[in-house]
Amino acid sequence: EDQVTQSPEALRLQEGESSSLNCSYTVSGLRGLFWYRQDPGKGPEFLFTLYSAGEEKEKERLKATLTKKESFLHITAPKPEDSATYLCAVLAGGYQKVTFGTGTKLQVIP
Amino acid sequence: DGGITQSPKYLFRKEGQNVTLSCEQNLNHDAMYWYRQDPGQGLRLIYYSQIVNDFQKGDIAEGYSVSREKKESFPLTVTSAQKNPTAFYLCASSTPTGLTDTQYFGPGTRLTVL
Repeated sequence: EDQVTQSPEALRLQEGESSSLNCSYTVSGLRGLFWYRQDPGKGPEFLFTLYSAGEEKEKERLKATLTKKESFLHITAPKPEDSATYLCAVLAGGYQKVTFGTGTKLQVIP
Repeated sequence: DGGITQSPKYLFRKEGQNVTLSCEQNLNHDAMYWYRQDPGQGLRLIYYSQIVNDFQKGDIAEGYSVSREKKESFPLTVTSAQKNPTAFYLCASSTPTGLTDTQYFGPGTRLTVL
């Protein structure tokens, strides 16, 4: 069974304090790893899709990287508006089913 | 604007009632999905549909039903058989691009059982 584990569950940063969120996965035949941002009471907003180990993608202060066992979401010099829950998900095997982690709740303090 | 709409945003249901949640997309996506989100848990798949007039059960389909009569629409009915329906319900859609599909989500419907 596919498994996705995100850590830490919650992270509190000072504005400008860079850090990383971790997503560890156990799957057979990874086809894609996804990162989403979710604000309270709203649907997840797509950030990145990563397809293979060694791939990196960037968007503003966010950079996602992928290895064969985990993915990192690096946040450089975060701002209060980056506060949200960040979700990781994987698509594997021959099925359409995506497995989601439970998320990391990020709070950036001014 | 292309996107996914869900209605209503908030829904209150009395015990024993069936309710239907609406999901519409104008992205021309082939596949559509329904998820349930509870505090402290990852999104759990209820049903998904890859083409019109066809759908498959996800991990927690008991007490739910769906239809896919049009490409743009994928309504979810929460029946009285669902024991604990209070949750945040999310609809998503995707279309194959290369080796994978990226799912895009609607704004969600919060269902509360009174």
